[in-house]
Amino acid sequence: SQQGEEDPQALSIQEGENATMNCSYKTSINNLQWYRQNSGRGLVHLILIRSNEREKHSGRLRVTLDTSKKSSSLLITASRAADTASYFCATGTQGGSEKLVFGKGTKLTVNP
Amino acid sequence: KAGVTQTPRYLIKTRGQQVTLSCSPISGHRSVSWYQQTPGQGLQFLFEYFSETQRNKGNFPGRFSGRQFSNSRSEMNVSTLELGDSALYLCASSLVLNNEQFFGPGTRLTVL
Repeated sequence: SQQGEEDPQALSIQEGENATMNCSYKTSINNLQWYRQNSGRGLVHLILIRSNEREKHSGRLRVTLDTSKKSSSLLITASRAADTASYFCATGTQGGSEKLVFGKGTKLTVNP
Repeated sequence: KAGVTQTPRYLIKTRGQQVTLSCSPISGHRSVSWYQQTPGQGLQFLFEYFSETQRNKGNFPGRFSGRQFSNSRSEMNVSTLELGDSALYLCASSLVLNNEQFFGPGTRLTVL
């Protein structure tokens, strides 16, 4: 079953603009991760935020986590055409397992 | 270090046949997880292995099985293939529990 639900399902912006994607989840988590996937290929890890963190930055990426609302957002600043991809949030639950529960993803298109 | 490798990359089978997919994790990684990705269901967790033991299993029928060898390489097997098994099968490895996972390029299975 899907725990993470991304919003919006699809997003189209111009190069240079910012892109914001949201993720909501249902149960307690250990961490929340964002991944990128290009054209049905493997997933590339972008950033991991732990349940006791509220915000994290990595280059042009900024992730926030609100555990009280069970939601996270991914902001990509100054987007580029190369950022065109599907973005997934995945939650890691507590316990001794690596199982990730993925949302259905947001398809981002950055137009040159 | 070499990334996660999966073989074969593409596979075409007919209904009723069985298939074995292989995954070699990043050197030193002992945890290997498998996911199925379809347009309808998204990314679904299949199972996870650590030190040759299955640590977690997703909600898939018994036709889906896997194993892990002493060198951490993993295989998954699907018997009595059905049309609905057509999917991208992704393997991921990790070094530390509850940390980022590294995904392979996937095996695209088509069942005719």
